Amino acid sequence: QVQLVESGGGVVQSGTSLRLSCVDSGFSFSNSGMHWVRQAPGKGLEWVALISYDTYDKYYADSVKGRFSISRDNSKNTLYLQMSSLRPDDTAVYYCAKGQVGAMVGWLGSWGQGTLVTVSS
Amino acid sequence: NFMLTQPHSVSESPGKTVTISCTRSSGSIASYYVQWYQQRPGSAPTTVIYEDHQRPSGVPDRFSGSIDSSSNSASLIISGLKTEDEADYYCQSYDSFNQVFGGGTKLTVL
Repeated sequence: QVQLVESGGGVVQSGTSLRLSCVDSGFSFSNSGMHWVRQAPGKGLEWVALISYDTYDKYYADSVKGRFSISRDNSKNTLYLQMSSLRPDDTAVYYCAKGQVGAMVGWLGSWGQGTLVTVSS
Repeated sequence: NFMLTQPHSVSESPGKTVTISCTRSSGSIASYYVQWYQQRPGSAPTTVIYEDHQRPSGVPDRFSGSIDSSSNSASLIISGLKTEDEADYYCQSYDSFNQVFGGGTKLTVL
């Protein structure tokens, strides 16, 4: 059974940095595009970033471009999100999600349970 | 970038059928697969429909998906509604290297 587990969330002050991690205990991590999706309290889902299986391609939502950086370590089955210059409107539950083998975009078939990031002003 | 527009909320009685729409603002709905996710309070999203009309294993056949090129929209149809279907539902699609979610629809089964 595929299992994604996020960690690294917490309460931080505006302007600071935080790194989230997501460990995949399932299969095909190194062959799948990986994504971060966030959900502000009481709001809908917002796609944040994606990284190709081989780390060469990375794409970001306009709202985080230049502040967030996605990366992965296939030897550790781990996905990262480095968040800098955090703002109160970055407050959200952050989910990692796995795409399909060989695909950059499309169906996100597996999701973690999420980690809460709270940015105080 | 394009947008996906969903109704904010829908409600229906148990045993009835409900349809949730998802309209794409630009680009052909038929050119990029649409997925539908169910999210219950406090839980992560789970897939009920992928690639327009496919059901993951374990999702009952009461859930179905379709697309309509004439209205550039996708639909999630839930028949034989049960109280356990009460949740938020999100459509999702993409273009190039952008993933886009609809704003979500709160389904109330009353």
